[in-house]
Amino acid sequence: KQEVTQIPAALSVPEGENLVLNCSFTDSAIYNLQWFRQDPGKGLTSLLLIQSSQREQTSGRLNASLDKSSGRSTLYIAASQPGDSATYLCFNEGGSQGNLIFGKGTKLSVKP
Amino acid sequence: DAGITQSPRHKVTETGTPVTLRCHQTENHRYMYWYRQDPGHGLRLIHYSYGVKDTDKGEVSDGYSVSRSKTEDFLLTLESATSSQTSVYFCAISEQGKNGYTFGSGTRLTVV
Repeated sequence: KQEVTQIPAALSVPEGENLVLNCSFTDSAIYNLQWFRQDPGKGLTSLLLIQSSQREQTSGRLNASLDKSSGRSTLYIAASQPGDSATYLCFNEGGSQGNLIFGKGTKLSVKP
Repeated sequence: DAGITQSPRHKVTETGTPVTLRCHQTENHRYMYWYRQDPGHGLRLIHYSYGVKDTDKGEVSDGYSVSRSKTEDFLLTLESATSSQTSVYFCAISEQGKNGYTFGSGTRLTVV
């Protein structure tokens, strides 16, 4: 069974820092990997989708990479801002139907 | 999120009563999913659908049933609600990884 682990569980940084959130998974036979953001009491907002044939995606200050052979994905946030404070979730779509697993998230706090 | 709505947004019900949550999409996506989100457990898949009248179980399906009579609607039913089913329920849609997954805003269900 696929397991998805996100480290660290929580992270607090001063504004302006560059930071990396990590996601590891046990089964390299994944189809897609997607990063979401969730604000308290809210739904999930898609940030980046990396399809199986891709190695990275970029959107603004965000860059996500995928290394299936090592079972890892990273989300890089450049020049962090207080508005980036949220929980970031890694979502793994496996090769078989219904094999859809979330990590438990990294709670990010960016201090002004 | 645009194209997917969940109703109701909030519901309080008594133990033992039936409850139905509705997910409606306007994107004509083939796949629809129900997740629950709980502290310490993250998001877990309850049931999913891969077409009209085609459904399957996810990781935590006990106590839940689903129905999909139309492409646009996916219903989640708690036949006899229990306090352990107090949670936030999210619906999601996809087209088998083409554009990733889109989530609704969630339904907060409290069983007293």
